[in-house]
Amino acid sequence: KQEVTQIPAALSVPEGENLVLNCSFTDSAIYNLQWFRQDPGKGLTSLLLIQSSQREQTSGRLNASLDKSSGRSTLYIAASQPGDSATYLCAVEGNNAGNMLTFGGGTRLMVKP
Amino acid sequence: EPEVTQTPSHQVTQMGQEVILRCVPISNHLYFYWYRQILGQKVEFLVSFYNNEISEKSEIFDDQFSVERPDGSNFTLKIRSTKLEDSAMYFCASRKSGGATSGANVLTFGAGSRLTVL
Repeated sequence: KQEVTQIPAALSVPEGENLVLNCSFTDSAIYNLQWFRQDPGKGLTSLLLIQSSQREQTSGRLNASLDKSSGRSTLYIAASQPGDSATYLCAVEGNNAGNMLTFGGGTRLMVKP
Repeated sequence: EPEVTQTPSHQVTQMGQEVILRCVPISNHLYFYWYRQILGQKVEFLVSFYNNEISEKSEIFDDQFSVERPDGSNFTLKIRSTKLEDSAMYFCASRKSGGATSGANVLTFGAGSRLTVL
């Protein structure tokens, strides 16, 4: 059974810092890995999707990497801003009929002005 | 930007009552999902639905749960007899395609329906 773990569970940084969020998964047989952002009481917004054959994806100040063989992904946020404060979720899609996502517990990020 | 719409945003119900949560997926999407998130816990998969039938369901999705696509636009989750532990945020999601091509398709989530069972 796939297990996804995110470290750290919470992170507080001053504005402007670069930071790295970590995600690990136990079963490397995945189709892809997605990073989501969740604001309090809100839905999930997809940030980046990395296919299993890819090593990284970039969008603006965000860069996500994937090392499928070691079961790890990182989300790098450059020059953090207070508006980046949210919970960041990592999810892997298994190669099963239902294409379900297995989520990590998230990293709660606070960027202080 | 197309979006997944969920109603109601919040529903309070008594234990044992039936609840129907509604979702309008993005119009050209073919694969539909329900997930839930109990307060303070991980987002959990409930069920996936394609071509008018369930593709996969989790252990959570027992006989008390059902899904339906009654027309060309709505996708519903019914809980037959709610329990206290069904209190959670329920998310609907959709994507254009699945299977081996799913790597190219981002899953789009709705804003969620918060269910409170008293």
